[in-house]
Amino acid sequence: AQSVTQLGSHVSVSEGALVLLRCNYSSSVPPYLFWYVQYPNQGLQLLLKYTSAATLVKGINGFEAEFKKSETSFHLTKPSAHMSDAAEYFCAVTAKAGTALIFGKGTTLSVSS
Amino acid sequence: DAGVIQSPRHEVTEMGQEVTLRCKPISGHNSLFWYRQTMMRGLELLIYFNNNVPIDDSGMPEDRFSAKMPNASFSTLKIQPSEPRDSAVYFCASSHDIDLEAFFGQGTRLTVV
Repeated sequence: AQSVTQLGSHVSVSEGALVLLRCNYSSSVPPYLFWYVQYPNQGLQLLLKYTSAATLVKGINGFEAEFKKSETSFHLTKPSAHMSDAAEYFCAVTAKAGTALIFGKGTTLSVSS
Repeated sequence: DAGVIQSPRHEVTEMGQEVTLRCKPISGHNSLFWYRQTMMRGLELLIYFNNNVPIDDSGMPEDRFSAKMPNASFSTLKIQPSEPRDSAVYFCASSHDIDLEAFFGQGTRLTVV
């Protein structure tokens, strides 16, 4: 079975500061990993995905994540936060195509000016 | 493509009434997922279909919940009878085996009073 744990339900940063959202996974087989973003009253939008190719994955809006097997982690980073990055972020895992994604509890990112 | 389309966007109903949520997946996708989002429990997988066949319904809370996928372009999630604790945002998502990631609809916000 697969699962993900997002460390920190709420992260606050200043505009221009580094964003780091943490995700650790558990999987009995090589995982596929995802980060999604959710803005208020909207559905989830894919930020980036890891599918066993490059371990450093670049996504939309300047976000990237690094797959570290030894640490079972897939942390999301952005060098410089923007006010528009304020949203809820979800890490997800699946074992193979055609099966359901299992989501973490989410991390709310707040950005202050 | 218009993306995953859910209807209605908002539903307010009285306890004991039947509620039907609808979903049209992205054309060509062969997997469809129903999730429920609440503050307390986050994003929970209720059920998913592959090629119109239910694969895993272990997340369906109880017999009051049922889901169908009569064809590749339509799915319903029905709650009968509804209860106040069913109040949540229900998301439908679809995917294709090649892409892995799930594409989400805008959700249906259900309020049972």
